[in-house]
Amino acid sequence: EAGVVQSPRYKIIEKKQPVAFWCNPISGHNTLYWYLQNLGQGPELLIRYENEEAVDDSQLPKDRFSAERLKGVDSTLKIQPAELGDSAVYLCASSSNRGADTQYFGPGTRLTVL
Amino acid sequence: GQQLNQSPQSMFIQEGEDVSMNCTSSSIFNTWLWYKQDPGEGPVLLIALYKAGELTSNGRLTAQFGITRKDSFLNISASIPSDVGIYFCAGQLSGNTPLVFGKGTRLSVIA
Repeated sequence: EAGVVQSPRYKIIEKKQPVAFWCNPISGHNTLYWYLQNLGQGPELLIRYENEEAVDDSQLPKDRFSAERLKGVDSTLKIQPAELGDSAVYLCASSSNRGADTQYFGPGTRLTVL
Repeated sequence: GQQLNQSPQSMFIQEGEDVSMNCTSSSIFNTWLWYKQDPGEGPVLLIALYKAGELTSNGRLTAQFGITRKDSFLNISASIPSDVGIYFCAGQLSGNTPLVFGKGTRLSVIA
């Protein structure tokens, strides 16, 4: 069974440019998460989807970040415009229910903003 | 955001030695989890704990859910080179609440 797929794996952009990350969850997983992981820190939740509905986006900086999961499968996370402080790893995870023990992480997208 | 206090921050040990790391919180959790993250990869779940006082093993790894529900520890016995990586603890209050992660313990094993 394929794991959580993320692309791109690496992205380098200049500040003020837009950037988008894509995630394909494990087949059949209704719950999808986007996490931010800064260097030397643990992951922090940005947004959680149950199917196509964003049920927890309280930690998503909505002035520049947006996410969508239109058909309840793939998801895209966008930053516009990017700032220097957005340099981090963006992790996607999915689970078949809301239990933490069924949450599988993708490899992440490492973003560098110059 | 909220993070757990995880210690030590890093460890250098000889191959074959046992390792112990712990995680504390100012608030209670009903689930504690331990993950390992290799460079360039996402965290991988090692052990999940669901009950205060629970002691669970996964091969050479043993973890315990503290009786106060505010702490957990992870032991690795007879370390080997492939144990190298960053170990994260995480707590969850309920299925509707997010995982809260520690800052990680970076483990280096000297052969």
